Amino acid sequence: QVQLVESGGGVVQPGRSLRLSCTASGFIFSNYGMHWVRQAPGKGLEWVAVISYDGSNKYYADSVKGRFTISKDNSMNTLYLQMNSLRAEDTDVYYCAKDPRSARDGYNFYRPYYFDYWGQGTLVTVSS
Amino acid sequence: IVMTQSPATLSVSPGERATLSCRASQSVSSNLAWYQQKPGQAPRLLIYGASTRATGIPARFSGSGSGTEFTLTISSLQSEDFAVYYCQQYNNWPPVTFGGGTKVEIK
Repeated sequence: QVQLVESGGGVVQPGRSLRLSCTASGFIFSNYGMHWVRQAPGKGLEWVAVISYDGSNKYYADSVKGRFTISKDNSMNTLYLQMNSLRAEDTDVYYCAKDPRSARDGYNFYRPYYFDYWGQGTLVTVSS
Repeated sequence: IVMTQSPATLSVSPGERATLSCRASQSVSSNLAWYQQKPGQAPRLLIYGASTRATGIPARFSGSGSGTEFTLTISSLQSEDFAVYYCQQYNNWPPVTFGGGTKVEIK
């Protein structure tokens, strides 16, 4: 079955960096686009970033553009989120989420979609 | 695209029907998904394409609507259905956007 396991969260000071990881299993990781979505404690969901199945295309939310970088290592079945210049407002639970469309099914990066599987999340706290 | 859910909280007795609303600030066609989230858990996909149930989702969950107005109906609430429900549009990006959520609580 599909499993997504995030790691790398923790407490970090404002202005510092952190890298999150999401290890995938139960599906052919290299065939699927992946996302990061975040959620402030007790609040709603905010989409953060997306990467195409082969890593060639990426989009970011305006709130993180220029500070966060999404990447994926298909040989390691792992998705990453490099977060630089962290701010207090980046304090959230970060989820990785999977696009349901396979590269073999006419995947179109430029057409958005929903998320069929989510990880359990990792908490990032930005505080001095 | 701004997604607005109502009500923010819905108090329902077990066995009763729950109707949740989601409105888009502009048409999203049928590119609308619903998720369920329980405390301490990740969201779970319930509905996509406005009305198609995801794999393994019970038939008591149904979605309807198109354009700007959408509804999630839970026909007979079970104890495990008390949770927060989010809608998400995927008609335009970036970004895809979520509604603020509706909490379904026990009356």
